[in-house]
Amino acid sequence: DVQLVESGGGLVQAGGSLRLSCAASGFIFINFEMNWVRQAPGKGLEWVSHISSSGRTTYSADSVKGRFTVSRDNAKNSLYLQMHSLRAEDTAVYYCARGRGTEDSFDNWGPGTLVTVSS
Amino acid sequence: DIQMTQFPSTLSASVGDRVTITCRASQSISYWLAWYQQKPGKAPNLLIYKASSLESGVPSRFSGSGSETEFNLTISSLQPDDFATYYCQEYNTYSWTFGQGTRVEIK
Repeated sequence: DVQLVESGGGLVQAGGSLRLSCAASGFIFINFEMNWVRQAPGKGLEWVSHISSSGRTTYSADSVKGRFTVSRDNAKNSLYLQMHSLRAEDTAVYYCARGRGTEDSFDNWGPGTLVTVSS
Repeated sequence: DIQMTQFPSTLSASVGDRVTITCRASQSISYWLAWYQQKPGKAPNLLIYKASSLESGVPSRFSGSGSETEFNLTISSLQPDDFATYYCQEYNTYSWTFGQGTRVEIK
């Protein structure tokens, strides 16, 4: 079975940094594009970042561009999100999600990890 | 940037009802649209991709239609397990934008 498990969330002060990880199992990780999606408390879903299967191509939402960096280690079946200059509005549950195909919808999601930024 | 607008934002319905949720894109996205169901405290679950293709394992009472700028998600006969929030998502551009969500609640 496909499994995605996020970790690394927690409480951080505004202006601080945090690195999220997503451990993947149950599928051939190197074959799939991956994404980060977040959801602020009581709010809707917001796509954050996308990375190609090789890791050579990334895209990010304007709201995080220049502050967040997505990366992956295909040898470790892991996805990462490095977050800098965190703001109160970055407080959210962060999900990693597998791309169904090339630049496609998201067919498997992790349970999420909560990031709280205190101001 | 493409904007995705869903309506209604809340829908009250009874078990057995046929319900339809609409999603409108600010510009043409062909058929690059997905629908997700999310229950409180849980991750979203993919229901429909490419506007009308049913994801494996999803009950056939869910269906999607539309193209270009207007899309619908229909539940043919609402079941107790279907009370949740539904989101559309475009993936025509490199932005994967979600709609704001439609909460389906018990009437």
